[in-house]
Amino acid sequence: DTGVSQDPRHKITKRGQNVTFRCDPISEHNRLYWYRQTLGQGPEFLTYFQNEAQLEKSRLLSDRFSAERPKGSFSTLEIQRTEQGDSAMYLCASSLPLGEQYFGPGTRLTVT
Amino acid sequence: ILNVEQSPQSLHVQEGDSTNFTCSFPSSNFYALHWYRWETAKSPKALFVMTLNGDEKKKGRISATLNTKEGYSYLYIKGSQPEDSATYLCAYAGGTSYGKLTFGQGTILTVHP
Repeated sequence: DTGVSQDPRHKITKRGQNVTFRCDPISEHNRLYWYRQTLGQGPEFLTYFQNEAQLEKSRLLSDRFSAERPKGSFSTLEIQRTEQGDSAMYLCASSLPLGEQYFGPGTRLTVT
Repeated sequence: ILNVEQSPQSLHVQEGDSTNFTCSFPSSNFYALHWYRWETAKSPKALFVMTLNGDEKKKGRISATLNTKEGYSYLYIKGSQPEDSATYLCAYAGGTSYGKLTFGQGTILTVHP
């Protein structure tokens, strides 16, 4: 399968714990995006990379969130000191520049 | 803040009915309008990417139109089938950033056999 993959698919954590998600994009895509979707809403942009450079970050992203794409291939999204409000589906997508974005299946985070 | 609105929020139709959804978006600094279908437990899948005013695209029983001057797009499904049940999302690219997508809240379609 050559689509976008995300790991894990589900994560349950206790409030205050740190969590890290991984996204593997389509190999020839140099852009990688992170979105978050909460119940009843559409996906909301968090950040995106072109190769290893983080080009844009949403003002909604607090300091507890950090994303990396160290070698311009896979990316990680870390949430420190999780809060109940962080419970959501975290989606990753990849594309060629200004091309169609292909989405992964998402990581569903539940903070108890 | 970019506002992308979709209506209705949810829709229940009978198999064989035709239906349509609306997406409204900012008409200034427009680059592209995307339609996605998102089935439960799967990845959102692109249906159409539309860039030109007056664009009409079709894929099987699904079609879409685009009006960038007034800032709206319609998605049509002809002869709905139970397998069409999904959340349909539109997403706008433009404004000050062409990289990211700004999504509407989605329309949840349920097609009853």
